[in-house]
Amino acid sequence: AQSVTQPDIHITVSEGASLELRCNYSYGATPYLFWYVQSPGQGLQLLLKYFSGDTLVQGIKGFEAEFKRSQSSFNLRKPSVHWSDAAEYFCAVGVNAGKSTFGDGTTLTVKP
Amino acid sequence: EAGVAQSPRYKIIEKRQSVAFWCNPISGHATLYWYQQILGQGPKLLIQFQNNGVVDDSQLPKDRFSAERLKGVDSTLKIQPAKLEDSAVYLCASSPNGQGTEAFFGQGTRLTVV
Repeated sequence: AQSVTQPDIHITVSEGASLELRCNYSYGATPYLFWYVQSPGQGLQLLLKYFSGDTLVQGIKGFEAEFKRSQSSFNLRKPSVHWSDAAEYFCAVGVNAGKSTFGDGTTLTVKP
Repeated sequence: EAGVAQSPRYKIIEKRQSVAFWCNPISGHATLYWYQQILGQGPKLLIQFQNNGVVDDSQLPKDRFSAERLKGVDSTLKIQPAKLEDSAVYLCASSPNGQGTEAFFGQGTRLTVV
């Protein structure tokens, strides 16, 4: 069965600092991998996705993620965090974007 | 382009009552999903429709939950009778054809069962 682990429940970074959110997955084949962001009271917004090809994926809002098959990881990064990035971030794995298994999320707090 | 619409946004009911949620997907999207998101957890897929047919309902608690997608467009998710542990946000999502494509999520319905 597929599963996703986001080891960090809560991360706090200062505005302008770099960010890395961790995601480890378990999947029997080459996975489709996704990162979503969820602001309070809002639905999930797709930040980026990996299906195949280049293992470094660029997304919206300046985010990127790197797929590392050997480590079963798909970590999300951003070089400089803005206060508006404060939200909850979910990593997901699945056969497609809709039918996915989600991690339990990482809450990002941004300090001024 | 209009997004996925859900209503109501909030609902409070007593246990053992029934409740229904409505979802209108993005026009032309063949695949529709219902997810349950319990506080502090990631979304969990309840049911997937392809047009008006059920593709996967393996995680739907069928003794109390039901869902339908009439005419392959709008969908309703019903809970009867509700339990305290059903308190969650119910998210609807749609995608063009479900295979390797992005899914678009609605804002969800927050259900509180008291």
